Amino acid sequence: DSGVTQTPKHLITATGQRVTLRCSPRSGDLSVYWYQQSLDQGLQFLIQYYNGEERAKGNILERFSAQQFPDLHSELNLSSLELGDSALYFCASSVGSPISLSYNEQFFGPGTRLTVL
Amino acid sequence: DQQVKQNSPSLSVQEGRISILNCDYTNSMFDYFLWYKKYPAEGPTFLISISSIKDKNEDGRFTVFLNKSAKHLSLHIVPSQPGDSAVYFCAAKTGTASKLTFGTGTRLQVTL
Repeated sequence: DSGVTQTPKHLITATGQRVTLRCSPRSGDLSVYWYQQSLDQGLQFLIQYYNGEERAKGNILERFSAQQFPDLHSELNLSSLELGDSALYFCASSVGSPISLSYNEQFFGPGTRLTVL
Repeated sequence: DQQVKQNSPSLSVQEGRISILNCDYTNSMFDYFLWYKKYPAEGPTFLISISSIKDKNEDGRFTVFLNKSAKHLSLHIVPSQPGDSAVYFCAAKTGTASKLTFGTGTRLQVTL
């Protein structure tokens, strides 16, 4: 158990809908990352938050947005869903710092499997 | 553009033998490399890493080798055990950025 929790574990929805994925980081971790893993693909970095502020952005679609709340949990919002959005969405957390010269290990949650029909 | 590539989707190795998982990268700005291990229905877990200033890092049965000139790294597992059966992801990062760039993974099966 990494200490990172994600809800829900599974989500099935229809095209055009909007969903919210939730992530609770490990106790004490300030950084939260979101990754998307499509079928047979590696994990693609979407976005990082550090202590409530957006820190880095990857190839995140405009239909997707995220935020980190004062209690440090994070939510990833996916709207106008398309079939191609079906994927595993992982959240990771790390102790983090705004800029780190060394690697702060990222601990991953179990993921949310999103299926868009 | 796949900056980190794992060209072998799967690998089968007998228990007790050596497992060698390979990874190639194209971005010369990568300066820190990691291997993650993933079991079904779980998130990836960190296994071992190596900085670009080194060419080898060892941790128990796991050794990572880095060949910067070839932009290639490999993970050696000796001896392989059935519990090592999992998907292994190679990942890389640049400088002070925290985001990781992952390969597509190699599924390792260790047989009895």
